[in-house]
Amino acid sequence: GQNIDQPTEMTATEGAIVQINCTYQTSGFNGLFWYQQHAGEAPTFLSYNVLDGLEEKGRFSSFLSRSKGYSYLLLKELQMKDSASYLCAPMDSNYQLIWGAGTKLIIKP
Amino acid sequence: IAGITQAPTSQILAAGRRMTLRCTQDMRHNAMYWYRQDLGLGLRLIHYSNTAGTTGKGEVPDGYSVSRANTDDFPLTLASAVPSQTSVYFCASSKGENQPQHFGDGTRLSIL
Repeated sequence: GQNIDQPTEMTATEGAIVQINCTYQTSGFNGLFWYQQHAGEAPTFLSYNVLDGLEEKGRFSSFLSRSKGYSYLLLKELQMKDSASYLCAPMDSNYQLIWGAGTKLIIKP
Repeated sequence: IAGITQAPTSQILAAGRRMTLRCTQDMRHNAMYWYRQDLGLGLRLIHYSNTAGTTGKGEVPDGYSVSRANTDDFPLTLASAVPSQTSVYFCASSKGENQPQHFGDGTRLSIL
């Protein structure tokens, strides 16, 4: 079957760095997306990885290892506005996104 | 401002009633999607359309229907609403199958 595993909740301090891990099992693979979702709002696109390695985009970076079925999202210089849920979503062979329940990130001053 | 618009923002509906959720995008995206999001669960795909004139079933299609008469519009219809369809519904669109999906603001639907 298809499965996504992310921590349910994480807490970090403003200004620090946090890594959100995601392991997945899918039928086929066409890349992996990370989305941010603030409470009561729509998900917004953060990053896309299709090849192994690190993709950096400002304060956010995303890493993929296809052989391990593993990805992480790295957030640097945390700000209070980064408090949100982070959704890991690999794409299967039918080009459908498989969504995890997300990781709720709480930033403390 | 280019984007994706959903209507209504929220709705309370009696069980057994018919309801259509509207979704319009002006980005000329080929693909469109309908998801539901329930507390503690990931987004679940209801129906999708890869291009105007075609639709497909997602993970949880029962009780829902869609149409894609043109590129911009992708309405979702609940023929006879049931309480288990209480959820937040998101419409999304993307340029192509493996492109990022852009989401509307969602419709909060309560079935009583």
